[in-house]
Amino acid sequence: ETGVTQSPTHLIKTRGQQVTLRCSSQSGHNTVSWYQQALGQGPQFIFQYYREEENGRGNFPPRFSGLQFPNYSSELNVNALELDDSALYLCASSLERTDTQYFGPGTRLTVL
Amino acid sequence: QKEVEQNSGPLSVPEGAIASLNCTYSDRGSQSFFWYRQYSGKSPELIMFIYSNGDKEDGRFTAQLNKASQYVSLLIRDSQPSDSATYLCAVNREAAGNKLTFGGGTRVLVKP
Repeated sequence: ETGVTQSPTHLIKTRGQQVTLRCSSQSGHNTVSWYQQALGQGPQFIFQYYREEENGRGNFPPRFSGLQFPNYSSELNVNALELDDSALYLCASSLERTDTQYFGPGTRLTVL
Repeated sequence: QKEVEQNSGPLSVPEGAIASLNCTYSDRGSQSFFWYRQYSGKSPELIMFIYSNGDKEDGRFTAQLNKASQYVSLLIRDSQPSDSATYLCAVNREAAGNKLTFGGGTRVLVKP
């Protein structure tokens, strides 16, 4: 167990809807990164938050957005869901922007 | 060319044998290298990280890094059926903002 928690565990949405995924980082970690993992592929970096500011973004459209709160928990929001957004969404926390990242259990999103 | 490449497998090894996993990367600016293990339906779990050329050992696992050849490998000694999983190689270039770039993973099957 890494101490990183995510909710919900599973989620089913329809095309065009919006979704919010949540992550609580490991105690003492102030950096949260989000990844998308499609079936059979490696995780792809979405963005990272450090001390409530976005600190790097991958090749994802603006309908993927995020927040980090003062307690370092984080949200990933996806608007206008598409079928290809079906994936495992992973949150990883790290200590003070050091790059050893520890993953939470993930949220499995299915878009119908 | 993919940024991080791994043979997808499956790599089938008998119980007790050595499993050898390879990973190549394209960005010479990559500075840190990670191996994660991912069981089916679960999130990635950190096994090893390595920053310097050479070998790093942790229990039954040895990571090897050769920056000149842009090559990182993972050896699993005395393979056990519980080692059956997908192994993900990830690289980080600090200038890219501490994002991890993953390969597609190598599936390992350890047969009793």
